[in-house]
Amino acid sequence: SQTIHQWPATLVQPVGSPLSLECTVEGTSNPNLYWYRQAAGRGLQLLFYSVGIGQISSEVPQNLSASRPQDRQFILSSKKLLLSDSGFYLCAWSVDGTGGTQYFGPGTRLTVL
Amino acid sequence: QKEVEQNSGPLSVPEGAIASLNCTYSDRGSQSFFWYRQYSGKSPELIMSIYSNGDKEDGRFTAQLNKASQYVSLLIRDSQPSDSATYLCAVNDGGTSYGKLTFGQGTILTVHP
Repeated sequence: SQTIHQWPATLVQPVGSPLSLECTVEGTSNPNLYWYRQAAGRGLQLLFYSVGIGQISSEVPQNLSASRPQDRQFILSSKKLLLSDSGFYLCAWSVDGTGGTQYFGPGTRLTVL
Repeated sequence: QKEVEQNSGPLSVPEGAIASLNCTYSDRGSQSFFWYRQYSGKSPELIMSIYSNGDKEDGRFTAQLNKASQYVSLLIRDSQPSDSATYLCAVNDGGTSYGKLTFGQGTILTVHP
């Protein structure tokens, strides 16, 4: 069966510090991978998606970046965090041929102070 | 911009009642429709998917789809306090092949004993 991991689970960072969030998927090959952010009381905002190694598409221009160094690894980064980067970061995966069904990881709650 | 709108909440129903959650979408090319449940502080979990017009039943949950009206709904029968959560409607982007979803803002459901 497929499993998706995210770490860390919670993170408190000062403004201007760097960020690295990691997501890994087990039990499937060549998944489509997604990063979402959910601000408090808000919906899900798609930040990045990837259909393969090294292939990253950005949905929202901002100070975040994403990378996919391996087939089942997806990383979200920032060089300098802003207060507005606080939120619940969710990684999700899907595979082609399933109508776009996405499955979410447990999430990382980021607080920027 | 493709939009997904959910009925504003919060929705409060007594235990044992039917809870009705509604969603409209703007993309006429969408083919896949999903309902996710999100407990407070947790990540979304898939509870229903529907691809064809009509009803789809799974236990106490029934999803209804009307593509002509661009409308999808979720009925929860015999509502339980454990059903109290935020329900997210998601619709696939008809113009992509990699499973991009657009999410509604969510409807908060409270089932009171």
